[in-house]
Amino acid sequence: AQSVTQPDIHITVSEGASLELRCNYSYGATPYLFWYVQSPGQGLQLLLKYFSGDTLVQGIKGFEAEFKRSQSSFNLRKPSVHWSDAAEYFCAVGVLSNTGKLIFGQGTTLQVKP
Amino acid sequence: DAGVIQSPRHEVTEMGQEVTLRCKPISGHNSLFWYRQTMMRGLELLIYFNNNVPIDDSGMPEDRFSAKMPNASFSTLKIQPSEPRDSAVYFCASRITDTQYFGPGTRLTVL
Repeated sequence: AQSVTQPDIHITVSEGASLELRCNYSYGATPYLFWYVQSPGQGLQLLLKYFSGDTLVQGIKGFEAEFKRSQSSFNLRKPSVHWSDAAEYFCAVGVLSNTGKLIFGQGTTLQVKP
Repeated sequence: DAGVIQSPRHEVTEMGQEVTLRCKPISGHNSLFWYRQTMMRGLELLIYFNNNVPIDDSGMPEDRFSAKMPNASFSTLKIQPSEPRDSAVYFCASRITDTQYFGPGTRLTVL
């Protein structure tokens, strides 16, 4: 069955430090992969997505993610974190393109220290 | 574009009352999804529609929950009767090609 695992429930980093959020998926075919961010009291905003092609994907707000098929991973990175990046981050895999159904991970809460 | 619009943003009701949540998807999007988010269970897909037709409602927790999409620009999620365990944030999302766009959510509190 398809699944998404985000191993880290909470991560704390200092402002200006680099960030990597982990995501592992289980899916039989080539996955469609997404990262969403949710600020407190807000809906989910799409950060970036991978469908095919270049395995390094650039997104909004300076984020990027790398698809590694051999590791079944799609980790999210940012070279220098800003205080405004404090939020919850969700990784998701698209089950079937014609349905648009997504399977979400449990989320990782990012705290940024000044 | 205004994005996905949900109303109300907050709803407080008493156990046993009927609750109706509303969603207006982004114009031109052909799929609509209803999710529920709680601390315990995370983000759960309740039901989704393609071209206004319900495709998969396996995530709807009980018969107390029902959803409709009478046209391409409007959907409702109804809970009747509501119970305290229905307290959660309910999100609507609409989709174009393979990307879902989320609304701001409705925070439901059932007392």
